[in-house]
Amino acid sequence: KAGVTQTPRYLIKTRGQQVTLSCSPISGHRSVSWYQQTPGQGLQFLFEYFSETQRNKGNFPGRFSGRQFSNSRSEMNVSTLELGDSALYLCASSLGGRGRSPLHFGNGTRLTVT
Amino acid sequence: AQSVTQLDSQVPVFEEAPVELRCNYSSSVSVYLFWYVQYPNQGLQLLLKYLSGSTLVESINGFEAEFNKSQTSFHLRKPSVHISDTAEYFCAVKTSYDKVIFGPGTSLSVIP
Repeated sequence: KAGVTQTPRYLIKTRGQQVTLSCSPISGHRSVSWYQQTPGQGLQFLFEYFSETQRNKGNFPGRFSGRQFSNSRSEMNVSTLELGDSALYLCASSLGGRGRSPLHFGNGTRLTVT
Repeated sequence: AQSVTQLDSQVPVFEEAPVELRCNYSSSVSVYLFWYVQYPNQGLQLLLKYLSGSTLVESINGFEAEFNKSQTSFHLRKPSVHISDTAEYFCAVKTSYDKVIFGPGTSLSVIP
């Protein structure tokens, strides 16, 4: 079974631009979560989608948004990029439900904002 | 709200020596507990999980962790480490329907 796929792997953007990251979950997984990983803040939860609905949300500004499609694929968008948005963005999928199913992570998208 | 503490940010250990990575959590309700490992330039991989039942859980590569409800701990241990165990280790906690919260991570360095 194929794992979680994130595209692109690397991205370089300029401050003020916007970016869209894509995540394809493991087949059969209905929940997709997004995390931001930086050396200073560690793993910070962005949001979780389950069956196309946002189920949980972290403490990030409205510039960070996401969505999930009917095939469970997910995208996250960051508008008006800031230098501090430079990070590794990780997507993780799980079966969903009541939470016993662990997260399965992709290899991430490394975003650099200049 | 849940939280996770990993007291040791860096743990150096000689090859073939035992190691313990500490994890404590805070929660007012029942939790599920996980350990993940991250190698450079990769995502996180599930190492082991505690959902219910036996408080001692084991992974296929020799790691084990014990859930201690009274001490709210889920420490990770390995009796003999290998060079290939060098990585970042994250403890995580989750409750039903809630998001997974990760600790700050422990960098394990195995010295030849």
